[in-house]
Amino acid sequence: GAVVSQHPSRVICKSGTSVKIECRSLDFQATTMFWYRQFPKQSLMLMATSNEGSKATYEQGVEKDKFLINHASLTLSTLTVTSAHPEDSSFYICSGRQVSGYTFGSGTRLTVV
Amino acid sequence: RKEVEQDPGPFNVPEGATVAFNCTYSNSASQSFFWYRQDCRKEPKLLMSVYSSGNEDGRFTAQLNRASQYISLLIRDSKLSDSATYLCVVNIRGMNTGFQKLVFGTGTRLLVSP
Repeated sequence: GAVVSQHPSRVICKSGTSVKIECRSLDFQATTMFWYRQFPKQSLMLMATSNEGSKATYEQGVEKDKFLINHASLTLSTLTVTSAHPEDSSFYICSGRQVSGYTFGSGTRLTVV
Repeated sequence: RKEVEQDPGPFNVPEGATVAFNCTYSNSASQSFFWYRQDCRKEPKLLMSVYSSGNEDGRFTAQLNRASQYISLLIRDSKLSDSATYLCVVNIRGMNTGFQKLVFGTGTRLLVSP
């Protein structure tokens, strides 16, 4: 079946640094990729929707200058958390949409210290 | 009001029990409905889609009531391996973006014990 490969699975970074998370669709072309964030004991919250070759569309309250999304090809989308702070520590997960539904990456657990 | 509301639980049941989860959604324009399962620190995985006519997949039965904006999931003969968080998910068209998107409930935690 369709697979979205997400890396890294876990990252610890220092406050003020930037972290890049990659999601690759391995056997389908993900023209649309969704980026979610999940805090402990909370639901997945959509951060932004990216379409290949165009700017991402961000949900209300999500800072686009802080969470940079690039979707330069049909198989790769990246999320960069810039100037990370401890409150950005969370579980970040991507999802590619295809005709048959949505395929999720395995998630990235970010800890900012 | 949250777009998708669920009782967070946890539901503690013995093996073999039948357990039911409920969910309500607020957007009457919601287009499709799903139950996902999420294990601790893992990505959500699709359990089943939900239709107005009701649908069954082995021990799992899902039901949708569009008039009441209510979704249910019934698990029969619970197994230890059913222990997980069950997410009620609705597909809607985003107000800001115009794109279709999935909106997740907070999930209901199920613990099946021997």
